[in-house]
Amino acid sequence: DAGVIQSPRHEVTEMGQEVTLRCKPISGHNSLFWYRQTMMRGLELLIYFNNNVPIDDSGMPEDRFSAKMPNASFSTLKIQPSEPRDSAVYFCASSFVLAGELFFGEGSRLTVL
Amino acid sequence: GQQVMQIPQYQHVQEGEDFTTYCNSSTTLSNIQWYKQRPGGHPVFLIQLVKSGEVKKQKRLTFQFGEAKKNSSLHITATQTTDVGTYFCAGPDFGNEKLTFGTGTRLTIIP
Repeated sequence: DAGVIQSPRHEVTEMGQEVTLRCKPISGHNSLFWYRQTMMRGLELLIYFNNNVPIDDSGMPEDRFSAKMPNASFSTLKIQPSEPRDSAVYFCASSFVLAGELFFGEGSRLTVL
Repeated sequence: GQQVMQIPQYQHVQEGEDFTTYCNSSTTLSNIQWYKQRPGGHPVFLIQLVKSGEVKKQKRLTFQFGEAKKNSSLHITATQTTDVGTYFCAGPDFGNEKLTFGTGTRLTIIP
């Protein structure tokens, strides 16, 4: 298996622009998680899905953030409009069962100027 | 909400010395997981502990889950340069599937 695939790996954009991050989980995994990592706040859980249904989005910082999982093999995290404080590495992870071992993608490094 | 703290935040050791990181949760955990993140990389799963007081070993790494299931430790014997990275504990509290990550301990090795 190719593992969790994220794109883009790097994104540099200007404040106010829309950013869309993409994730393809491991086939057969039922749960998908979006994390954000910064030096100041560490690894923060933004939202997670189980069987394509959002279960908990309490970690989503603001209404500017939204996430979707239209099918079992694809998820997006959208930021609109983006702000400099959104600069971080965004990780997607999947697992076979909730609270089980997480498999992380390589991350998307976002820089908002 | 649930908080998971790790100490120390940073640890610098001479190659060959031992290393220990401690993880403490504000709530009782159903299980504890440990991950390693190499510089510039992504977190990689190391192990999961489920039972109270459980101890597991992986070569030079020893993992322990506390009796109250609120704390854990990772001990590395005779560190090597390949051990460099940040070690995270993570756990869901009971009744919740959210995996909350600890603050991490960054290990650097002095050759």
